[in-house]
Amino acid sequence: DIQMTQSPSSLSASVGDRVTITCRASQSISNFLNWYQQKPGNAPKLLIDAASSLQSGVPSRFSGGGSGTDFTLTISSLQPEDFATYYCQQSYSLWTFGQGTKVQIK
Amino acid sequence: QITLKESGPTLVKPTQTLTLTCTFSGFSLSTYGVGVGWIRQPPGKALEWLALIYWDDDKRYSPSLKSRLTITKDTSKNQVILTMTNMDPVDTATYYCAHRRMAGAGTFDSWGQGTLVTVSS
Repeated sequence: DIQMTQSPSSLSASVGDRVTITCRASQSISNFLNWYQQKPGNAPKLLIDAASSLQSGVPSRFSGGGSGTDFTLTISSLQPEDFATYYCQQSYSLWTFGQGTKVQIK
Repeated sequence: QITLKESGPTLVKPTQTLTLTCTFSGFSLSTYGVGVGWIRQPPGKALEWLALIYWDDDKRYSPSLKSRLTITKDTSKNQVILTMTNMDPVDTATYYCAHRRMAGAGTFDSWGQGTLVTVSS
């Protein structure tokens, strides 16, 4: 089984801050890495797939990078609507989610 | 526009079998490469993938839950059914179904609203 480890588990940031979340796979997954945003009471929303492909309608302040085992999700300038929990997920071999990163208001 | 909706019991007793139905529209589960998966989320916890069925009836299961899960499809009704046997209070969670697309990294691009299932006597 492929394990996904996100860091940090939570962070506090201010509007306008640059935020980076990291995700590490227990083995190489090429670029089969996806990022989701989830707000309380809502289903997850796909932000980025294939490590860096921004989904239609997702603001350009979101970006993804990495390959192999190490990946990042960056929000270049945090907006009020970005406070949420973010999950990485591998789709290389079955599907596995990270434990999530909660982005909170400082 | 792709939509999915989960339905099933909100409360089940320990040891019972849970049956959930995902009814979808906006795509066909007979189209090459398409799949429908189930994912759950215990209250306040992370997402956990459970099972997936492909257009050709190929099936995949979470290794840790494989012995308890069965996924089937009714293409004519646009439905996917998940059964989970021997339910336990730790299985209390919101259960989501999602569309797995063929393009890109083959991930879940559209999700249902989820249905909360509580396991309690």
